[in-house]
Amino acid sequence: DQQVKQNSPSLSVQEGRISILNCDYTNSMFDYFLWYKKYPAEGPTFLISISSIKDKNEDGRFTVFLNKSAKHLSLHIVPSQPGDSAVYFCAASALQGAQKLVFGQGTRLTINP
Amino acid sequence: DSGVTQTPKHLITATGQRVTLRCSPRSGDLSVYWYQQSLDQGLQFLIQYYNGEERAKGNILERFSAQQFPDLHSELNLSSLELGDSALYFCASSVALPSPGANVLTFGAGSRLTVL
Repeated sequence: DQQVKQNSPSLSVQEGRISILNCDYTNSMFDYFLWYKKYPAEGPTFLISISSIKDKNEDGRFTVFLNKSAKHLSLHIVPSQPGDSAVYFCAASALQGAQKLVFGQGTRLTINP
Repeated sequence: DSGVTQTPKHLITATGQRVTLRCSPRSGDLSVYWYQQSLDQGLQFLIQYYNGEERAKGNILERFSAQQFPDLHSELNLSSLELGDSALYFCASSVALPSPGANVLTFGAGSRLTVL
């Protein structure tokens, strides 16, 4: 049962344009969402998060949007840079299961010069 | 360097064998988590320890076991290995027990296990 889904395995974007990565979840108990970024041969690194009491959180070029009614979140990167090329994982946690994060399958983002 | 150290980086072994993966958490972190990433899959939560005690368990097979030692390092033991156990195994750590809204984990670079 895949509770967190990233339906796009890969995404290719031109440098300077906007990258939009999407994530859907099924568990209505999830109340905290995170995005992690992973380069080859490295572990995932935390990028940005959002609580379910908000619908938007911004950090520099990165903005995460949360649509609770649709159980959908997205990560916007503007403008996209070559160094943003990586695998992006969406993750979620629930109040009662705060010890564990449930991850999506990841989306490989490639920024083309 | 995230501060979370995992050894070995790569391990090749045969079916039926047993291996031990080691993790040293970031300095000051009391919680250690183990995740498995199989090919083209997301990270699957295996188990979590906090200050030496098991706190949460995910889809960890009975052939797998883990522990956290007094110096806070952790080991993941995988036995009777099968081809399907080939995966990246990540360790992560956090300062304390995560509370809602504070589940930021710091990951190590992973141990790649290949079972032939």
